[in-house]
Amino acid sequence: LAKTTQPISMDSYEGQEVNITCSHNNIATNDYITWYQQFPSQGPRFIIQGYKTKVTNEVASLFIPADRKSSTLSLPRVSLSDTAVYYCLVGDIPSNTGKLIFGQGTTLQVKP
Amino acid sequence: ETGVTQSPTHLIKTRGQQVTLRCSSQSGHNTVSWYQQALGQGPQFIFQYYREEENGRGNFPPRFSGLQFPNYSSELNVNALELDDSALYLCASSLDAGARNLPLHFGNGTRLTVT
Repeated sequence: LAKTTQPISMDSYEGQEVNITCSHNNIATNDYITWYQQFPSQGPRFIIQGYKTKVTNEVASLFIPADRKSSTLSLPRVSLSDTAVYYCLVGDIPSNTGKLIFGQGTTLQVKP
Repeated sequence: ETGVTQSPTHLIKTRGQQVTLRCSSQSGHNTVSWYQQALGQGPQFIFQYYREEENGRGNFPPRFSGLQFPNYSSELNVNALELDDSALYLCASSLDAGARNLPLHFGNGTRLTVT
């Protein structure tokens, strides 16, 4: 699975839009980009997944440029409860292993 | 819809002992994966079970083993515990090992402390 690079930490304030960028230069043709959110002492929670262009759901948007070598998770109008670790994962989820490769993630701290 | 549940939530063991962690998959999910998460790190894949068979394994020694039962629940067993085994153990379920790119649904984990 392709390796990803994302900032270790980010700070924001309530009400702001937060953009977390993930670099994945070696992304393969069949790879999807998936983001998970993790709160302390909880398991990761799926946020959003995309292959190209833009994907939006009720929680976030995912922007993927044409070359797919990076992606940006956008969280609109964050609140204190969005303080968490955000993981970017890239891969063509192997059909019979369920193996996801997590990096260290980005710790987002939202301040009042 | 019942989510992924894990038991116990916390556990303290002594080096050299054995431990069994349990996981009930989300309703309708037939595949269970186990992850180890050390403090400050991302989760690391241990193995996956599908239809009661191990279906993929990460870089963990054989003293990490598992089972999946006909109701799709699963156990993770760790023998000869070492101090470095102290971590949050996460169970994740999904539907169909053969399906691609479906998100995993994680439980809240078991916090294992080895002293």
